[in-house]
Amino acid sequence: DIQMTQSPSSLPASLGDRVTITCRASQDIGNYLRWFQQKPGKSPRLMIYGATNLAAGVPSRFSGSRSGSDYSLTISSLESEDMADYYCLQSKESPLTFGSGTKLEIK
Amino acid sequence: QVQLKESGPGLVQPSQTLSLTCTVSGFSLTSNSVHWVRQPPGKGLEWVGAIWSGGSTDYNSALKSRLSISRDTSKSQVFLKMNSLQTEDTAIYFCTRGFAYWGQGTLVTVSS
Repeated sequence: DIQMTQSPSSLPASLGDRVTITCRASQDIGNYLRWFQQKPGKSPRLMIYGATNLAAGVPSRFSGSRSGSDYSLTISSLESEDMADYYCLQSKESPLTFGSGTKLEIK
Repeated sequence: QVQLKESGPGLVQPSQTLSLTCTVSGFSLTSNSVHWVRQPPGKGLEWVGAIWSGGSTDYNSALKSRLSISRDTSKSQVFLKMNSLQTEDTAIYFCTRGFAYWGQGTLVTVSS
């Protein structure tokens, strides 16, 4: 199975900060990488697909990038509504695998 | 509009079988895949398995010996069956179409 190593597990940040969350794939997944946001008691929300494509309705302060086997989700200027858990998911091959998650919280 | 809704028993006894239904609307199961994802309380997301538009299935490696996913296209329903349930299977179970559309999730508690 492909392992997705996500870091950090927790990220204290201040409003207005630029923050980056990273997932590293244990083998080649091309651009078959999605990012999700999840708030307490809610279903996950798709933020990024194809590693770099913004999902419908997602604010432009969110972006996705890839460098080799490292995939990043960046928020350019943190807003209060962005405080949530974030997960990556590889869908290159079955079984699909999620990263372990990052809790983004106010410093 | 696209909608998915999970249903099933909230409580299952250890060693018993879990049966969940995902009822969908706004799209065809013969043109779209549906995945199951679960989340233990306070923990991360885990991919459980999927049924693809052609009807084939794929499963989580750790669960595949206990898991079956099927569908009834005439009723727009996808089914998850998992046997030999243990307390570690306690989780919110979500169904999702392509990870862009999600159900609200249903909490399954495994307890005697």
